[in-house]
Amino acid sequence: NAGVTQTPKFRVLKTGQSMTLLCAQDMNHEYMYWYRQDPGMGLRLIHYSVGEGTTAKGEVPDGYNVSRLKKQNFLLGLESAAPSQTSVYFCASSYWLGTGDQETQYFGPGTRLLVL
Amino acid sequence: AQTVTQSQPEMSVQEAETVTLSCTYDTSESNYYLFWYKQPPSRQMILVIRQEAYKQQNATENRFSVNFQKAAKSFSLKISDSQLGDTAMYFCAFTSNTGNQFYFGTGTSLTVIP
Repeated sequence: NAGVTQTPKFRVLKTGQSMTLLCAQDMNHEYMYWYRQDPGMGLRLIHYSVGEGTTAKGEVPDGYNVSRLKKQNFLLGLESAAPSQTSVYFCASSYWLGTGDQETQYFGPGTRLLVL
Repeated sequence: AQTVTQSQPEMSVQEAETVTLSCTYDTSESNYYLFWYKQPPSRQMILVIRQEAYKQQNATENRFSVNFQKAAKSFSLKISDSQLGDTAMYFCAFTSNTGNQFYFGTGTSLTVIP
């Protein structure tokens, strides 16, 4: 049981390049999330998904796109990277909310992205 | 809208002593859940403790306990017998039964001094 995994762990991009971050979970969780973490700002939600085939915007969605074609995978795309997107990106997953003891969110190890 | 506030950006404690990290939140929900996560230098987010709002009893996990004051919307974390491995960033988080999101505070950086 690997939990939540993220690929890659570290990446350097040039301004204008594109890339996709992959998140995978093997816990059969319905909900998946992408956050970015910047110094002094905690975790900010980029996009989330409440089930296969669904996505929704979070607090800071601009410049990112996501897809959830399979329940276990949640992809985060940067179409044209900008230096402001330099950050640490975390994926997380949880069971559907409102079911009692299932609300705990589990995190991947993070992806460090540097945009030059 | 839900908000979570951690007013202590940095704290330090002597090894073996007790320290309390503060968290306040704002919500109009009646049924919700509160969490403390630990993020050591490895960056991995680790769940420390969770509390259901409908439970009056404060949650405890070994050396970690919370002081949940629902009326005051306060959720503090007490770490007893602090250890060097407790050095980390600590985040308070909130979610509710009616929402789809988790809300995080800005974190408290805790340093345990030998």
